Amino acid sequence: AQKVTQAQTEISVVEKEDVTLDCVYETRDTTYYLFWYKQPPSGELVFLIRRNSFDEQNEISGRYSWNFQKSTSSFNFTITASQVVDSAVYFCALIDNAGNMLTFGGGTRLMVKP
Amino acid sequence: GVTQSPTHLIKTRGQQVTLRCSSQSGHNTVSWYQQALGQGPQFIFQYYREEENGRGNFPPRFSGLQFPNDSSELNVNALELDDSALYLCASSLLGTSGGAIADTQYFGPGTRLTVL
Repeated sequence: AQKVTQAQTEISVVEKEDVTLDCVYETRDTTYYLFWYKQPPSGELVFLIRRNSFDEQNEISGRYSWNFQKSTSSFNFTITASQVVDSAVYFCALIDNAGNMLTFGGGTRLMVKP
Repeated sequence: GVTQSPTHLIKTRGQQVTLRCSSQSGHNTVSWYQQALGQGPQFIFQYYREEENGRGNFPPRFSGLQFPNDSSELNVNALELDDSALYLCASSLLGTSGGAIADTQYFGPGTRLTVL
């Protein structure tokens, strides 16, 4: 069975601080995909990034960066110089190569205060 | 993008409900998720080319349909209070050569169902 754990249920930072959201996963599959989604108060899940299990390169997209470490089964997400608009619930998720079921973590609520 | 209707819905226990989703053009797969308040989404089932392609731990009173015109439905019979949640649909494109290739699932805005 697959499992995704986001140990931080809620994080509060002040604008311009850097913040890292942790994600640890469990799977017996050798081929799998990891995702991060953002859920603002409106409720829609917004896709941020997709990473396959064979690509351990870290990725940077503007103020966002992701650190994938297979050795520790972690896929952490860092926001640099946070802004109030980053306030949302962030979900880490895992899918196997069958491609049907996304397994989500419990989410981390990020609050960025001005 | 992916659209869902209605936005909000209020039903009473024992009633039946149909939620609708319109997939992103060109996608062949739709997945449905239930998100209870304060929790991560839980997979209900997936339809690929109009047939069920995987099901989560939900009873048979949760059923679905996928139509050739990029639209799909989630039906829930005999509503229970615990069915109150945000229902999300997601569309994606599964590869068809050499088995499934997991593609990104793009989500709609959801339907918030309240069962009284």
